[in-house]
Amino acid sequence: EVQLVESGGGLVQPGGSLRLSCVASGFTFSNYWMSWVRQAPGKGLEWVANIKQDGSEKYYVDSVKGRFTISRDNAKNSLYLQMNSLRAEDTAVYYCTKWLSSWYNFDYWGQGTLVTVSS
Amino acid sequence: QSVLTQPPSVSGAPGQRVTISCTGSSFNIGAGYDVHWYQQLPGTAPKLLIYGNNNRPSGVPGRFSGSKSGTSASLAITGLQAEDEADYYCQSYDSLSGCVFGTGTKVTVL
Repeated sequence: EVQLVESGGGLVQPGGSLRLSCVASGFTFSNYWMSWVRQAPGKGLEWVANIKQDGSEKYYVDSVKGRFTISRDNAKNSLYLQMNSLRAEDTAVYYCTKWLSSWYNFDYWGQGTLVTVSS
Repeated sequence: QSVLTQPPSVSGAPGQRVTISCTGSSFNIGAGYDVHWYQQLPGTAPKLLIYGNNNRPSGVPGRFSGSKSGTSASLAITGLQAEDEADYYCQSYDSLSGCVFGTGTKVTVL
């Protein structure tokens, strides 16, 4: 059974930093692209970032470029999102997702971790 | 500022058929990229419901179906059930923006 478990969310002040983690199990982590998708309170879904199997390619939504960094550690079956210069509009539940490059979709989702940016 | 547009809400009585539209452009759906649909039950994470325009993952009931034509796509729920009350999102790929989601549709079972 595929499982994605996020951690690291919390309350942070504007301009601050936070690092999200996701531990994957139930599939061969190193064989798949991975992604982060977020959902602001009461709002829709927004793709945030993708990373290739070996970490050699990374893509970001324009609104987080230069502030967020996606990374992975295949030895630990883990995905990360380093978030710097956080803004109020980054407040959201962040989902770790498994990305299917053959279909360009997200076939498995974690339960999410809430990030709140507020003073 | 989603690039895929959905109606905010649709509703139907149990047993009825409802459809949800997803309108894109020549940069995404019209460019030939597949459309996928996700179901988000209240308080839970989204779940893949339809992939590749009209394919159901294992375990998804047959009353859910998808279609795509031109720059639009649709999700149909035939034989609506109370447990189908949820938010539904379409998703595709956009040549300018990357992965994109629809604005979301809340389905209410009357």
